[in-house]
Amino acid sequence: AQSVSQHNHHVILSEAASLELGCNYSYGGTVNLFWYVQYPGQHLQLLLKYFSGDPLVKGIKGFEAEFIKSKFSFNLRKPSVQWSDTAEYFCAVNEYSTLTFGKGTMLLVSP
Amino acid sequence: DGGITQSPKYLFRKEGQNVTLSCEQNLNHDAMYWYRQDPGQGLRLIYYSQIVNDFQKGDIAEGYSVSREKKESFPLTVTSAQKNPTAFYLCASSQMTGEPQHFGDGTRLSIL
Repeated sequence: AQSVSQHNHHVILSEAASLELGCNYSYGGTVNLFWYVQYPGQHLQLLLKYFSGDPLVKGIKGFEAEFIKSKFSFNLRKPSVQWSDTAEYFCAVNEYSTLTFGKGTMLLVSP
Repeated sequence: DGGITQSPKYLFRKEGQNVTLSCEQNLNHDAMYWYRQDPGQGLRLIYYSQIVNDFQKGDIAEGYSVSREKKESFPLTVTSAQKNPTAFYLCASSQMTGEPQHFGDGTRLSIL
């Protein structure tokens, strides 16, 4: 069965710092990859996705992620975080019909 | 606006009782899903349905049941057999399986 590992459970950054959240998955075949974000009090929403093509994908709010097939990784990045990026971030991998989620990373950005 | 509506937002249950959580979508999506979210556990799939009148068990289906009689509705019943039902329950839908999922606001279930 597919498993998804997010490296950090909690990350604390100051505004303007750079962000990288790690995500690794176990299945080595063809996968679709996602990052979702859950802002405080809001529903989960899609941040970005990778299906095929350019392994560097850009999402909303200045986020991007790079798919490295050889490392089974799909790390999320943002060059300069803002206080409004405080949220929980989930990596997810699609295998066959369902998504497998990582356990999430809580990001706290201090002003 | 199209979206997913979950109701109620908060639900309390006495031990030994079954309870049904509602999920309705007006996105005309074929696939619907139920997840359970616990702190530090991420989202775990309970059941999913790819089409009306068909559904499959997810990773943690024990103690839960679903139905899919209409395309727009996918109610989840938490039965008395579920040993630890207190959790945040999320419903989602997608055009088809494998496509990005849209999520509802969730229902928080607590045991009295």
